[in-house]
Amino acid sequence: ETGVTQTPRHLVMGMTNKKSLKCEQHLGHNAMYWYKQSAKKPLELMFVYNFKEQTENNSVPSRFSPECPNSSHLFLHLHTLQPEDSALYLCASSQGGSGGVETQYFGPGTRLLVL
Amino acid sequence: QKEVEQDPGPLSVPEGAIVSLNCTYSNSAFQYFMWYRQYSRKGPELLMYTYSSGNKEDGRFTAQVDKSSKYISLFIRDSQPSDSATYLCAMAGGATNKLIFGTGTLLAVQP
Repeated sequence: ETGVTQTPRHLVMGMTNKKSLKCEQHLGHNAMYWYKQSAKKPLELMFVYNFKEQTENNSVPSRFSPECPNSSHLFLHLHTLQPEDSALYLCASSQGGSGGVETQYFGPGTRLLVL
Repeated sequence: QKEVEQDPGPLSVPEGAIVSLNCTYSNSAFQYFMWYRQYSRKGPELLMYTYSSGNKEDGRFTAQVDKSSKYISLFIRDSQPSDSATYLCAMAGGATNKLIFGTGTLLAVQP
């Protein structure tokens, strides 16, 4: 596997379900990101982790819960979602630690549909 | 006012045409400017990265930044059907290193 991988690629869930999205990066990076991409809207940054520590939570509702067990893996735990949470969820990684603006490398995304 | 404005398109051009994609922004502190390309069912991939004002060329692609007008452009020469994708501008600078994205412009190059 190369680059940034995400599983599952597609997910359909009911509002009472609990599911998790997984992201893995094979680039040796130390920063990882979750973004939400909805139709006709800009990418919305949700969470940032640097060296496994959460450094940004962009006012995301608590029904989204991130987890970063190590620098290579990032999870997004989902529970009691709403239909408006249906979107493409993108994971990205970057070098980390530079303190500057870094090039981010994206995974293919998980297409989520909440019924 | 949105921090970054980008026409969502769609923009349809014939093969071989010169394509111009643009974004405007309101935050004068932005110093880092990027263009990402996103094919259908794929994640965005970095196409061009420029710092501050000026031009940068890479093959058929040229990125331009005009900080005085708060306007950035991506030109694609001799466009190909394989260039059909959504093009996202992104920028950062000032108090935060967070990337601010445009909505993306959907480009279709007709053979």
